[in-house]
Amino acid sequence: DAGVTQSPTHLIKTRGQQVTLRCSPKSGHDTVSWYQQALGQGPQFIFQYYEEEERQRGNFPDRFSGHQFPNYSSELNVNALLLGDSALYLCASSTPGTGGETQYFGPGTRLLVL
Amino acid sequence: GQSLEQPSEVTAVEGAIVQINCTYQTSGFYGLSWYQQHDGGAPTFLSYNALDGLEETGRFSSFLSRSDSYGYLLLQELQMKDSASYFCVPRQGGGNKLTFGTGTQLKVEL
Repeated sequence: DAGVTQSPTHLIKTRGQQVTLRCSPKSGHDTVSWYQQALGQGPQFIFQYYEEEERQRGNFPDRFSGHQFPNYSSELNVNALLLGDSALYLCASSTPGTGGETQYFGPGTRLLVL
Repeated sequence: GQSLEQPSEVTAVEGAIVQINCTYQTSGFYGLSWYQQHDGGAPTFLSYNALDGLEETGRFSSFLSRSDSYGYLLLQELQMKDSASYFCVPRQGGGNKLTFGTGTQLKVEL
């Protein structure tokens, strides 16, 4: 049973560029959440997708957008990259039926913006 | 709004017992989760308390007191591999959003 997978594992971009990160949820999960984790901090909630719709959103600017596909996989897009966007981006999947208190995280994509 | 308090660092020796406390203030509280994260790794779910009391999972136990807005994670028979960051994560409302604090870094020494 494959867990949550993310790609790429590492990425280097320059300021102003755009980036797309990808996530495949754990088998049987239909809800995908994205988190940003800066060094020394806890993960910060970006947004959550369910049934191909953004269901909840954290305190992130519109430069951060996402998409969920019919197979439940998801993409996170960040436009006009800033140096401060350098972080570990984590994807987590869950099922609404469990109440969502258990989320399974992928290994993350480490983004460096130069 | 929400506030979370956990100690930033805890150090203990191998084989000992350690308790990581968590106090929270949050609206629409549903329950309290605990996650473990090793350096460079992904957070891993440890336990969830929806009701008051103790939940035991192997060497780890988690406790919740809703009236005191307080919980703790108890780790027994500490092993070196338990060195990691531990996050208490209140669940708010009916959604799946998790709000992490800065967590507690546990260092297990010989």
